[in-house]
Amino acid sequence: AQTVTQSQPEMSVQEAETVTLSCTYDTSESDYYLFWYKQPPSRQMILVIRQEAYKQQNATENRFSVNFQKAAKSFSLKISDSQLGDAAMYFCAYRSDNYTGANSKLTFGKGITLSVRP
Amino acid sequence: NAGVTQTPKFQVLKTGQSMTLQCAQDMNHEYMSWYRQDPGMGLRLIHYSVGAGITDQGEVPNGYNVSRSTTEDFPLRLLSAAPSQTSVYFCVSGTRRREQYFGPGTRLTVT
Repeated sequence: AQTVTQSQPEMSVQEAETVTLSCTYDTSESDYYLFWYKQPPSRQMILVIRQEAYKQQNATENRFSVNFQKAAKSFSLKISDSQLGDAAMYFCAYRSDNYTGANSKLTFGKGITLSVRP
Repeated sequence: NAGVTQTPKFQVLKTGQSMTLQCAQDMNHEYMSWYRQDPGMGLRLIHYSVGAGITDQGEVPNGYNVSRSTTEDFPLRLLSAAPSQTSVYFCVSGTRRREQYFGPGTRLTVT
C-alpha cells in the first residue's frame, strides 16, 4: 500500500520570502501522479500543482514549483514570493496510474499548516 | 457546468439518527469517492465507485453505505450516526488522467 508522509505539522514564512514544504511517499509502482492541494479556511480543496512520475521535468505553476526526486521518493513544494493569501493547510497526495478499483484513490499526507507573517 | 455539488453544507445529528449526504457531478466522470477529514489524520477514503452500479469500500467504511445508480450521483448514507462520525466529508470525482475534483464539503456534527 502507498503511504504519504508530511513530517512538519506547521511552518511559517515572512511575506515575500520563499518557503519549501516537504513530502515523502512510499510506493512500489513506477507510474503515478503526485499532487499538492491547498485548503484555506473556507475548507475548499484547491489543486495547486500536479506531477506525473514519468516526467523528469519538475512542474511549475506561477509562484509554485516542485522538486520531484523519484529515486528518493520525495516531492517538495516551493512557494516563492509568499503572499498573505498563501496561508492555508497544504496536503500532499499520491494517485496510482494503474486506474483500477482501489488504485484510483488519492492517498493523502496529514497536511501542513502554513502561516504567512506580514 | 456546476462541477461537484454537495448538500447539505452543515448538519447536526443526534446519536442514532440516519441521514444521507448528497453528491452530484455534471462532468460525466466515471470515478467518484467519499473522504472524511479529521484533524491530524488528513483525508481518509470511505467508499468509492468506478462507474454506475459499481462501489467498493475504502479505508474507513464502517457505519456508511453508498450506491451509484447513475453516473451523476453518489450519495453517502449514515445508518445510525455516532459521535465518531463527526467530521468534514468531501465528495470527489474524476477521470483517469486528470486531477480529482472536490466538492465544497459537508461539516457534520453528531451529538
